[in-house]
Amino acid sequence: EAGVAQSPRYKIIEKRQSVAFWCNPISGHATLYWYQQILGQGPKLLIQFQNNGVVDDSQLPKDRFSAERLKGVDSTLKIQPAKLEDSAVYLCASSLDGDSTYEQYFGPGTRLTVT
Amino acid sequence: QKEVEQDPGPLSVPEGAIVSLNCTYSNSAFQYFMWYRQYSRKGPELLMYTYSSGNKEDGRFTAQVDKSSKYISLFIRDSQPSDSATYLCAISYNQGGKLIFGQGTELSVKP
Repeated sequence: EAGVAQSPRYKIIEKRQSVAFWCNPISGHATLYWYQQILGQGPKLLIQFQNNGVVDDSQLPKDRFSAERLKGVDSTLKIQPAKLEDSAVYLCASSLDGDSTYEQYFGPGTRLTVT
Repeated sequence: QKEVEQDPGPLSVPEGAIVSLNCTYSNSAFQYFMWYRQYSRKGPELLMYTYSSGNKEDGRFTAQVDKSSKYISLFIRDSQPSDSATYLCAISYNQGGKLIFGQGTELSVKP
């Protein structure tokens, strides 16, 4: 079974630029999550999708971050404009359904550096 | 007060040692408790989860929950260099609830 795929793996941008990350979850997984993991901290949930609907985006900085999940499969997370404090690893995860949040499968992450 | 707190370490032990990793949490309403392992440059992977209080064992790993103290532990017996990773505890109010992660404990097992 293929795991969660993410791209790019690394990205360096200047502040005020925009950036987009892509995620392809495990086939058949209805629930998709985006996390932000700052160095030395645990992952923080940014947004959770159930199929292509948003379940929780309470911690997403909506003035600069946006996310979509078209057709309930792939997802993109965008930051526009980026700030220095956005430097982090952005992790995508998926689970079978919304009742299986305890068993999430994570991708390798995208390491973003904002200079 | 943070909802879950975890000693960041780093923790260094010799191969074969018993390792104890711990988290405390603030709200007694949390019901689900997970341990994830994260290797360098990789995403976290689920090691174990427990519901409510008690112990759960899987090979060399034992997860323990003490709800009266709001304390969760992961024990690793006969630790191996391949166990070197960051261990993240995570908690949730309910089965479909949002995971709240601790900051992780970095473990190094020396041959």
